[in-house]
Amino acid sequence: DQQVKQNSPSLSVQEGRISILNCDYTNSMFDYFLWYKKYPAEGPTFLISISSIKDKNEDGRFTVFLNKSAKHLSLHIVPSQPGDSAVYFCAASGKMGGSEKLVFGKGTKLTVNP
Amino acid sequence: GAGVSQSPRYKVAKRGQDVALRCDPISGHVSLFWYQQALGQGPEFLTYFQNEAQLDKSGLPSDRFFAERPEGSVSTLKIQRTQQEDSAVYLCASRRGRGYTEAFFGQGTRLTVV
Repeated sequence: DQQVKQNSPSLSVQEGRISILNCDYTNSMFDYFLWYKKYPAEGPTFLISISSIKDKNEDGRFTVFLNKSAKHLSLHIVPSQPGDSAVYFCAASGKMGGSEKLVFGKGTKLTVNP
Repeated sequence: GAGVSQSPRYKVAKRGQDVALRCDPISGHVSLFWYQQALGQGPEFLTYFQNEAQLDKSGLPSDRFFAERPEGSVSTLKIQRTQQEDSAVYLCASRRGRGYTEAFFGQGTRLTVV
């Protein structure tokens, strides 16, 4: 049972435009959310995070939005650059049974075309 | 070291062989996680350590999988009597401590069981 869902396996955008990656979760115990970026043959790299007490967090070109009532978060990349082409994973964490594990979605492959 | 280091990067094992995968976390990080990532999937949680204590091993798929972190630093994931379905990338991550900060991943070990 997928607790964190990324329903779009892939996304293609033009350089300079906005990329919007979406993530849904089912477990209301999650209270911290993270986005990771992964290049082939490398481990995931932390990108940006948000606590459930906020609805927006911004870091340069990257902004994460959280809608708790809808159990939905999104990552906006503006403007998109070819170097942003990678697989993006959404992850969630919460104090569930004392474990602080991150639960990941299946990822969305972003391609930014020059 | 500056980042999480995993060794070996690649491992080919014959079915039935035992393997040991090593993880050197970021110095001073007390939390350590192991994940398994199958092709086209997101990382799946295996186990979690807080210092030397294994606080969550709910993700270990069978009793053939065993992890340890005897001195609260380096960790080893051992897989006994490997099977083809164990073929995956095994990722290690460390985090500074309790609370909701980002986890930093190593490059992973790609295990292929033939």
